[in-house]
Amino acid sequence: NAGVTQTPKFQVLKTGQSMTLQCAQDMNHEYMSWYRQDPGMGLRLIHYSVGAGITDQGEVPNGYNVSRSTTEDFPLRLLSAAPSQTSVYFCASSYSGLSNQPQHFGDGTRLSIL
Amino acid sequence: AQTVTQSQPEMSVQEAETVTLSCTYDTSESDYYLFWYKQPPSRQMILVIRQEAYKQQNATENRFSVNFQKAAKSFSLKISDSQLGDAAMYFCAYRSSWSGGATNKLIFGTGTLLAVQP
Repeated sequence: NAGVTQTPKFQVLKTGQSMTLQCAQDMNHEYMSWYRQDPGMGLRLIHYSVGAGITDQGEVPNGYNVSRSTTEDFPLRLLSAAPSQTSVYFCASSYSGLSNQPQHFGDGTRLSIL
Repeated sequence: AQTVTQSQPEMSVQEAETVTLSCTYDTSESDYYLFWYKQPPSRQMILVIRQEAYKQQNATENRFSVNFQKAAKSFSLKISDSQLGDAAMYFCAYRSSWSGGATNKLIFGTGTLLAVQP
């Protein structure tokens, strides 16, 4: 049982490049989400999914796309990387949409955009 | 919209002493959940403790306990017998009790960096 696995752990991109941050969980969790962590701002929700085939925007969705074709995977795509997207990205999952279920976090991806 | 405020960017405590981290929040909801997460230098987000707003009893987990003051919208974390391994960034977070959709998101404070002095 690996929990929530994020790849890669580190990435450097040039402005304008695209890439996909991978997130996989093996706990059969319905709810998955992506956060970004910036200094002095805590974590902010980018996109989330309440189940396969269902996604929606969070607080800061611009410049990012997501899809959820399987229960296990929830990739985050940067369409055209910008320096403002330099951040640490966390994927999280929980068993269901019930708010008393704790969210399990991956170890994060540190992304730098030059 | 709900907000979470952590007014102490940094705190320091001596090993074996007790420290309290502050958190206040703003909401118009009556039912919700509050969490404290620990983020060590390894960057992992580790759930420390959670509190359900409808429960008056303060949650405890070993050396960690909370002081939940619903009327004051305050949710402080007390760490007793501090250990070197407690050194980390601590985040307070709020989650609505309504199920489904965006209401399941965690709303985080900006964090408190705790240093533990030997």
